[in-house]
Amino acid sequence: GQQLNQSPQSMFIQEGEDVSMNCTSSSIFNTWLWYKQDPGEGPVLLIALYKAGELTSNGRLTAQFGITRKDSFLNISASIPSDVGIYFCAGTVYGGSQGNLIFGKGTKLSVKP
Amino acid sequence: EPEVTQTPSHQVTQMGQEVILRCVPISNHLYFYWYRQILGQKVEFLVSFYNNEISEKSEIFDDQFSVERPDGSNFTLKIRSTKLEDSAMYFCASSDLGATEAFFGQGTRLTVV
Repeated sequence: GQQLNQSPQSMFIQEGEDVSMNCTSSSIFNTWLWYKQDPGEGPVLLIALYKAGELTSNGRLTAQFGITRKDSFLNISASIPSDVGIYFCAGTVYGGSQGNLIFGKGTKLSVKP
Repeated sequence: EPEVTQTPSHQVTQMGQEVILRCVPISNHLYFYWYRQILGQKVEFLVSFYNNEISEKSEIFDDQFSVERPDGSNFTLKIRSTKLEDSAMYFCASSDLGATEAFFGQGTRLTVV
């Protein structure tokens, strides 16, 4: 089946630093979504991307849909302690059905105050 | 803000027993989903449901699993005879017609002993 390669697997950063994580695939994706998951909670949608090359921001978060449609990145600027959590990329594959989201394995973010 | 709600938050069951996990999707959404997440792993698609029928299911969703929308608000996942390997977080999600972004509930932690 389709795989999403998400990196890095984990990050330990100082408060105030910028963060960057990305997902790549050998398959073409129709949409890219970025979710954040806190321990014991469900994934919370951060940003949705629909078109190749699209760059979208949500506060300190910025995400881009790669031009090849096979990758996406998420940047977090000026990190704060509440950014701690696991960030997942997810997407629907070209030719796939609505709602059948393929998830990456997640990037665990730790922020030192 | 509308949200997906799931009950119970935690269910412990003996191997071989039937369990029913319940969800109330966002009220004007038309697509409903179940996903699962084994501890420490990525989120995996189980099934999507639209217009009172399954629209897609993964290979995980075998004959032991079934879904139902018994009334206008609830959406359930039944596991007929639980196995140890069914232990996981089960997330319900919903989305609007034509929308890719799925909104997740807080999950039900199923522990099979």
